[in-house]
Amino acid sequence: GENVEQHPSTLSVQEGDSAVIKCTYSDSASNYFPWYKQELGKGPQLIIDIRSNVGEKKDQRIAVTLNKTAKHFSLHITETQPEDSAVYFCAAKKKSNTGKLIFGQGTTLQVKP
Amino acid sequence: DAGVIQSPRHEVTEMGQEVTLRCKPISGHNSLFWYRQTMMRGLELLIYFNNNVPIDDSGMPEDRFSAKMPNASFSTLKIQPSEPRDSAVYFCASSPLGGPDGEQYFGPGTRLTVT
Repeated sequence: GENVEQHPSTLSVQEGDSAVIKCTYSDSASNYFPWYKQELGKGPQLIIDIRSNVGEKKDQRIAVTLNKTAKHFSLHITETQPEDSAVYFCAAKKKSNTGKLIFGQGTTLQVKP
Repeated sequence: DAGVIQSPRHEVTEMGQEVTLRCKPISGHNSLFWYRQTMMRGLELLIYFNNNVPIDDSGMPEDRFSAKMPNASFSTLKIQPSEPRDSAVYFCASSPLGGPDGEQYFGPGTRLTVT
């Protein structure tokens, strides 16, 4: 079955620096890759996603890149702020109307002021 | 627009008791997912429904766990009898069926503690 590996498990950066989180997936049929942010005491919140027909997507300070050949995708956060501190999860899904998301293990990001 | 609603937000119960967690998905969403989150195992999919029908319950840990979706706006996850190892945060998520990208929207979760 599908497996998603996420690295690093923890990441600490200074405010204003960039943060990069990487994920690899095993099933080449996967075509949808969302990223979730989970703050303490809250449910995961969808922050950005990418489909297999594009290589990069940006939304303000957040960007996601996808390398289908290597089967990996990454989340990039620029100009980090303390409020970016949270746990980030990547996920992968096959194209279907009933497919389920397979989540990575999560990355705890700490942005130091 | 209300998101996914879960109740209760916190539940403390004694081992052996029955626990029922409730979820109201986003109106118009046809898929509903139950997840469990622990430090050791991360985010695990327990079961999901499409149009109120269970599609994949392979993540349900054992027969003590059961889930129902009697209509499009309500689902329950029941644990009977509960055990201390069931302590976790349980999330419900919903998704619009037919969306090719399957965006899932999570509720705030129910933190379950079994003593």
